[in-house]
Amino acid sequence: GPKVLQIPSHQIIDMGQMVTLNCDPVSNHLYFYWYKQILGQQMEFLVNFYNGKVMEKSKLFKDQFSVERPDGSYFTLKIQPTALEDSAVYFCASSPGQGRDTQYFGPGTRLLVL
Amino acid sequence: GEQVEQRPPHLSVREGDSAVIICTYTDPNSYYFFWYKQEPGAGLQLLMKVFSSTEINEGQGFTVLLNKKDKQLSLNLTAAHPGDSAVYFCAVREGGRALIFGTGTTVSVSP
Repeated sequence: GPKVLQIPSHQIIDMGQMVTLNCDPVSNHLYFYWYKQILGQQMEFLVNFYNGKVMEKSKLFKDQFSVERPDGSYFTLKIQPTALEDSAVYFCASSPGQGRDTQYFGPGTRLLVL
Repeated sequence: GEQVEQRPPHLSVREGDSAVIICTYTDPNSYYFFWYKQEPGAGLQLLMKVFSSTEINEGQGFTVLLNKKDKQLSLNLTAAHPGDSAVYFCAVREGGRALIFGTGTTVSVSP
């Protein structure tokens, strides 16, 4: 089936540094998402992106977070500066449309902030 | 906002037995319901999506039941096999874009 790729699979950084998580969505999809999963907890929605804009974001999407997809390349999540509580697995997803359309998920990037 | 409770958190079954996972949601306006399977180190794999009220949907080795009256979604693994060992998540969407996930159920199937 359709595959979403995420790079890197793991990232360890020091608190206060910047990190960029990269997502290669399914090629003909138009909607892109980031979700965050803290160990042992449920996956939580961060942000949805369409047509170059943030369409919807949750309260977890702090001011230090930003997303973009320059020129149809990777869909990225940048955290600047990072905090200890940003340690989690971040999942990217993409879908062709909304509503009943399936969101296809990547394998996640495991981020550890020290 | 929508809240989704999923139970049980852990399920251990013998090969050939059945296993049931239940999600209860709160928002009666939720329209779209999904079950995902997550194997170690992998992303979420869609098992099934359902939309209609009170409907039984059959997949390969599992059945999904949506009961909108009781606001419940269930996944029944029929005749479980070791390949079914994974974490299972339900997800609910009311019409917006975000999926609201359950807390996950870790299923272990032993031979």
